[in-house]
Amino acid sequence: DTGVSQDPRHKITKRGQNVTFRCDPISEHNRLYWYRQTLGQGPEFLTYFQNEAQLEKSRLLSDRFSAERPKGSFSTLEIQRTEQGDSAMYLCASSKIGTGQETQYFGPGTRLLVL
Amino acid sequence: AQRVTQPEKLLSVFKGAPVELKCNYSYSGSPELFWYVQYSRQRLQLLLRHISRESIKGFTADLNKGETSFHLKKPFAQEEDSAMYYCALSGRSNTGKLIFGQGTTLQVKP
Repeated sequence: DTGVSQDPRHKITKRGQNVTFRCDPISEHNRLYWYRQTLGQGPEFLTYFQNEAQLEKSRLLSDRFSAERPKGSFSTLEIQRTEQGDSAMYLCASSKIGTGQETQYFGPGTRLLVL
Repeated sequence: AQRVTQPEKLLSVFKGAPVELKCNYSYSGSPELFWYVQYSRQRLQLLLRHISRESIKGFTADLNKGETSFHLKKPFAQEEDSAMYYCALSGRSNTGKLIFGQGTTLQVKP
């Protein structure tokens, strides 16, 4: 297993367009997290799934953002009607709970630039 | 409010010098504290957590509940320690979500 993967690695879009990012967690990891990181800041929590259930969403996650994890494996994060303020690095992390201490393993991120 | 503060954006030391990366937190309850590291062109990875009370790559961190701090220390810095370091906390409510500080860049000069 090569770890958490994210696709695409980079995305440039025009304001108002929709974008979708994909995250493939480490196999058998039952939790999947999305974070957003802007320049000079640490990652900020957006939402997380346990299996296919979305259990928590941050207030940062406006109505334009939606995340899914339909079969409890990969997840998608969609941003509708993108704004320049959405430009950031979007990080995905996965973990396995129930086998001791939880450790989140991060993907390489998707860097979004909204023009 | 839940918050993690890393007061230094950049810490520059010479090889062999002691290192202390500061982290203060605000949390109403008993959080779990972590240090994550990101080396150049690599992904974010866990360095250590307070519960384990272990030394990783020569780094240690002690949770001081009275001062609400979790400073990261290493007695003798190495050039390969140069990286971005993030302090993070997780509440004990079993959500697992991490709250990160702004990060500190550690630069170890030869």
